[in-house]
Amino acid sequence: AQSVTQLGSHVSVSEGALVLLRCNYSSSVPPYLFWYVQYPNQGLQLLLKYTTGATLVKGINGFEAEFKKSETSFHLTKPSAHMSDAAEYFCAVSGDNQGGKLIFGQGTELSVKP
Amino acid sequence: NAGVTQTPKFQVLKTGQSMTLQCAQDMNHNSMYWYRQDPGMGLRLIYYSASEGTTDKGEVPNGYNVSRLNKREFSLRLESAAPSQTSVYFCASRTPWGGTEAFFGQGTRLTVV
Repeated sequence: AQSVTQLGSHVSVSEGALVLLRCNYSSSVPPYLFWYVQYPNQGLQLLLKYTTGATLVKGINGFEAEFKKSETSFHLTKPSAHMSDAAEYFCAVSGDNQGGKLIFGQGTELSVKP
Repeated sequence: NAGVTQTPKFQVLKTGQSMTLQCAQDMNHNSMYWYRQDPGMGLRLIYYSASEGTTDKGEVPNGYNVSRLNKREFSLRLESAAPSQTSVYFCASRTPWGGTEAFFGQGTRLTVV
């Protein structure tokens, strides 16, 4: 079985500050991990993903995430927040031999203060 | 390319009414998904279809049925709507390999009164 836990339903940072959104996963098979972003009244779009290889992955808009197998974590970071980063962020997990199931976390709403 | 198209965008139902949410994708993807999004609950998987001709229950299947009509289309049916089914529903699709990106529709906002 697969599951995702996002710590913190709401995170608030000042513009220019570090963004850190936490994600921990559980998976019985080697995981594929994703971060998606949702702007108000829109669908979801992919920020970045980890499949195999390099554990530090870079995505769009300056975001990156590091896969840490020993900690079962895939935290999302951005060195300097911008007002346009305000949105809801979702971590998701998938795996081979799971029938294509893609499971999401509860989401973290990011607010950016001027 | 339109990507993933959901209809309708908005719907208000009375308790006990039925309706079908439609989803179509033009990316030749094998796998399709239905999720519901509720505040504080994230996206919860209702049903998915790993390939044409197969469907499987997700995390919250009760009260819903699905049909994978063909490779392009995956519909979600509420037979007897309940207020607890008030939510935003998203359809998604992707190729079946676990590491591929899922593409999402714009959502259907459903209110059951």
